This record gives sequence, C-alpha cells and structure tokens, in this order.
Amino acid sequence: GESVGLHLPTLSVQEGDNSIINCAYSNSASDYFIWYKQESGKGPQFIIDIRSNMDKRQGQRVTVLLNKTVKHLSLQIAATQPGDSAVYFCAERSGFQKLVFGTGTRLLVSP
Amino acid sequence: GAGVSQSPSNKVTEKGKDVELRCDPISGHTALYWYRQSLGQGLEFLIYFQGNSAPDKSGLPSDRFSAERTGGSVSTLTIQRTQQEDSAVYLCASSTEGRSGPQHFGDGTRLSIL
Repeated sequence: GESVGLHLPTLSVQEGDNSIINCAYSNSASDYFIWYKQESGKGPQFIIDIRSNMDKRQGQRVTVLLNKTVKHLSLQIAATQPGDSAVYFCAERSGFQKLVFGTGTRLLVSP
Repeated sequence: GAGVSQSPSNKVTEKGKDVELRCDPISGHTALYWYRQSLGQGLEFLIYFQGNSAPDKSGLPSDRFSAERTGGSVSTLTIQRTQQEDSAVYLCASSTEGRSGPQHFGDGTRLSIL
C-alpha cells in the first residue's frame, strides 16, 4: 500500500499568531482536497475541503488556498490557540480514486 | 453513537496469533475504508468497501490481511499470523457518496505485537 511520511516537519507558533501549513501535491489531475487535524491518540478529524474549481474556501478560523498552477495547497489558521496543536494532513483525490494523504505537519502552539 | 466506532481501542498479542479489529461506520455511510498508521507517519491505505461492489484491496500488504463488511455496515479487519511489523494504529473511516465526500475517521485500534 501507499505510505507517506517518515519524519514530520514541525511548525512552532505563538498563541494568537496566524499559522500557515503548506502541502505540495503530485497529481495534476487531482480535483478534490481535504485537510485533516489529528490529535494524539485520536483519528484524523475533518477540517475543511475544497474542489479544484475553487481557489479559496473559508471556514471558522480556517482558510484553505489552492494553487493548481504549482500544485500547492495551504491551510491558514487565524489566531492560533493551544488547542490547535496537532498533526495536520492534507489529502488529494482524482475523480473516484482513493484519497492520497500527505506527509503531515506537526503544529506546536506556545502560550 | 454519531461517529465511527472502532474496537478494541488497544490490542496486545503475541507474534503468530490472529487478530480481528472491528469498525462500526456512521449510520447511512455507504463507503468504508481501512488505513494503517505507524508511529509518527502518515496514513497507509489498506482496503475500501463501497456498497455491494467488489472491495478495492490494492493496499493490503500481504495475504495475511483480509477484511469483510457484512450487511453493508460493520467491517472486520483480520490479520493472521501477526508479525512485529504489523504493530501500528489501524484506522477506519466512512463516508457518503463513495469516494466523493470527506471521510470521517474513528479513533483507531492500537495494535502491539510482542
């Protein structure tokens, strides 16, 4: 099976800062993208998704940006809180193919 | 419950034993997925069920791994003759609309092979 990620990159921020987590995807045919948050000992939790006909989508304190030209996805978290500390995964899918998950980024929020 | 439920939450067993992991998807979700997550790593796709269609088994790492989904709901992942490298967290997810909607995950079964 597919397996991605050996060592998680880490982003450290101060409480109240804005966080930006980046993800590069590989398949130019991917048309659906998801961000997940995974806290220790728990399963990934859906945060926000975006389809390829959009370049920006906003949720509560989160914004996802999609740049299809350079195959780049980002998750912006406004006013980051200690409870946002977790590992964040992006995932991509082409049509009805299976989701492919990215490496994951660990977000550490200091009070 | 409202979410995906997995049992047991933790399983410790001896090398060579068989194990069964259970997943109860969200009611009404037609698609069910199994993933494996090793410590500090990403998610490895194992198998996918959609309705009555033949499952996508392309991610199963060996013939010691198998899965069933009875009645379009509960699924069981079976690992026969477990090896130490099978130690990982096994995650189940379900979704509506086959592969076109977001997947909702359970909290996983942490499997430790001694």
